[in-house]
Amino acid sequence: EIVLTQSPATLSLSPGERATLSCRASQSVSSYLAWYQQKPGQAPRLLIYDASNRATGIPARFSGSGSGTDFTLTISSLEPEDFAVYYCQQRSNWPRYSFGQGTKLEIK
Amino acid sequence: EVQLVESGGGLVKPGGSLRLSCAASGFTFSSYSMNWVRQAPGKGLEWVSSISSSSSYIYYADSVKGRFTISRDNAKNSLYLQMNSLRAEDTAVYYCARDRADWNDGWFDPWGQGTLVTVSS
Repeated sequence: EIVLTQSPATLSLSPGERATLSCRASQSVSSYLAWYQQKPGQAPRLLIYDASNRATGIPARFSGSGSGTDFTLTISSLEPEDFAVYYCQQRSNWPRYSFGQGTKLEIK
Repeated sequence: EVQLVESGGGLVKPGGSLRLSCAASGFTFSSYSMNWVRQAPGKGLEWVSSISSSSSYIYYADSVKGRFTISRDNAKNSLYLQMNSLRAEDTAVYYCARDRADWNDGWFDPWGQGTLVTVSS
């Protein structure tokens, strides 16, 4: 089983600041990693897939990087609507997909 | 517009059964693998099950294997999850999610709004 560990658990920032979220895999997942955003009471939304590809309709301020075991989601300049919980997901161990435990991005 | 609408959730006693449905529209349902993902109250996401476009390949998380059955009806553009021998730890919002691409790429996009299953006596 591939375990994904996200850090930090909570990130407190202000609008306009840069956010950097981390996801570390217990073993290499190559580039088979995605990021999702979930707002309260809503379903998750795919942001990034294959580590660095933005999903359809996702603003350019969201970017993903990394390969192997260490991955980063960067939001270049936070908008008010970006405060949410973010999850990473791997598909390297297909079809035994797994998610990280989430990072809550809150307004400082 | 691509849309996924789940139904069938509710309150059930431990050991009971429930069948969830997911109605799909706005895309060629028969071309995509489909998935169920759940989220316990206040917790993270857990993959539950996946089914290929023609139902040839079916997979389950260990936590539900032998108790849950995924199926689909391509003529009705519908996905199902039959849940038997339910336990308290199955309490969660269950989301239906499509594979992002029609080649089984393993990314979930889009998701339905979810249906709540509560297992309690």
